Amino acid sequence: DQQVKQNSPSLSVQEGRISILNCDYTNSMFDYFLWYKKYPAEGPTFLISISSIKDKNEDGRFTVFLNKSAKHLSLHIVPSQPGDSAVYFCAAAGLNDYKLSFGAGTTVTVRA
Amino acid sequence: NAGVTQTPKFQVLKTGQSMTLQCAQDMNHEYMSWYRQDPGMGLRLIHYSVGAGITDQGEVPNGYNVSRSTTEDFPLRLLSAAPSQTSVYFCASSYSGVGANVLTFGAGSRLTVL
Repeated sequence: DQQVKQNSPSLSVQEGRISILNCDYTNSMFDYFLWYKKYPAEGPTFLISISSIKDKNEDGRFTVFLNKSAKHLSLHIVPSQPGDSAVYFCAAAGLNDYKLSFGAGTTVTVRA
Repeated sequence: NAGVTQTPKFQVLKTGQSMTLQCAQDMNHEYMSWYRQDPGMGLRLIHYSVGAGITDQGEVPNGYNVSRSTTEDFPLRLLSAAPSQTSVYFCASSYSGVGANVLTFGAGSRLTVL
């Protein structure tokens, strides 16, 4: 049973607008939440993370919001650029885990 | 700086054949792992290792075998390939564990089992 869920398989957004990607989790023991970005024929690369003691983390155009009570996190990309077109995976783990749980991914397409 | 190197990039097998996917990292990472990516399933952990001589099972270990004789290498063996093992396989490593430590992924190995 998947502990991390991304319910939107795809998202299409116009260049310059905001992209919002959502992720839900079921395991209340998760302490770290990460977003990875993947281009075709490449491996995933780390994008941004947040620990459970925070509710927001920002890095340039990327911001991750965490709502622990709702077991929900979201990734905001502002403004969206054509190079942001990729698959985005949400992932989570506990403090001393050796297993990272991934969501199914959301494919983002940024239209010019 | 090569990072995580996976070979081969592509492989076609017949049902029942065996093969080994190779993974090597040059970052002196203690933690290494293998994932498979399937449509609609995301990335699922097959096996992982927290250091030379230490391995453990992940979410989907059946049909796969691993060993870790050196810090640098973590090969994944398919003992008797089945069509259900058709997938893209990723090797990943980190300094120590996951969560607080970011995983570095290889470019992937696409396996087709006929």
